[in-house]
Amino acid sequence: AQSVSQHNHHVILSEAASLELGCNYSYGGTVNLFWYVQYPGQHLQLLLKYFSGDPLVKGIKGFEAEFIKSKFSFNLRKPSVQWSDTAEYFCAVNAVNYGGSQGNLIFGKGTKLSVKP
Amino acid sequence: ETGVTQTPRHLVMGMTNKKSLKCEQHLGHNAMYWYKQSAKKPLELMFVYNFKEQTENNSVPSRFSPECPNSSHLFLHLHTLQPEDSALYLCASSQGRERPQHFGDGTRLSIL
Repeated sequence: AQSVSQHNHHVILSEAASLELGCNYSYGGTVNLFWYVQYPGQHLQLLLKYFSGDPLVKGIKGFEAEFIKSKFSFNLRKPSVQWSDTAEYFCAVNAVNYGGSQGNLIFGKGTKLSVKP
Repeated sequence: ETGVTQTPRHLVMGMTNKKSLKCEQHLGHNAMYWYKQSAKKPLELMFVYNFKEQTENNSVPSRFSPECPNSSHLFLHLHTLQPEDSALYLCASSQGRERPQHFGDGTRLSIL
């Protein structure tokens, strides 16, 4: 069965520190990859996505993620975090089956990011 | 404003009660989803509807019964729930299964 691993449960950083959140998935075929963010008291919202093409994906609010197929990874990065980035971050993957049909979206457990002002 | 509205935001019910969760999407999407979000666990997909037809039931107990009367509305009928069913229930929609999903704020359900 497919799975998504987010290695860090809780990350605490000071403002202006660099961020990298790990995400690995288990599926040998073609995948679509997503990062969602959930700010305190708000709904889950899409941060960025990868379907195909350039493996370095730019998202909103200065976030980016790099798809490394050989490592089955899709790590999220931001060079300088702000207090307003405090949120929970979820990596998600869906498999693209033969014939192009889409599998279900599988989520990781999430990583809580706390940024100290 | 997310475009996906869930009501109620909070629900407390006893194990013998019957209640329903409602989801409405204003985005013109054709796929809708129910997820369960429990503490320290990944989001669990419960049901998928594509063009009002249920295409996925992810081994969900029968005490959860979904209903999709049209492509804009999705219900989750609850009956004889257990304490372990306490969680945040999220609705999402997308324009096709391959497009990103838009989530509602969720209904926080507590079973006494």
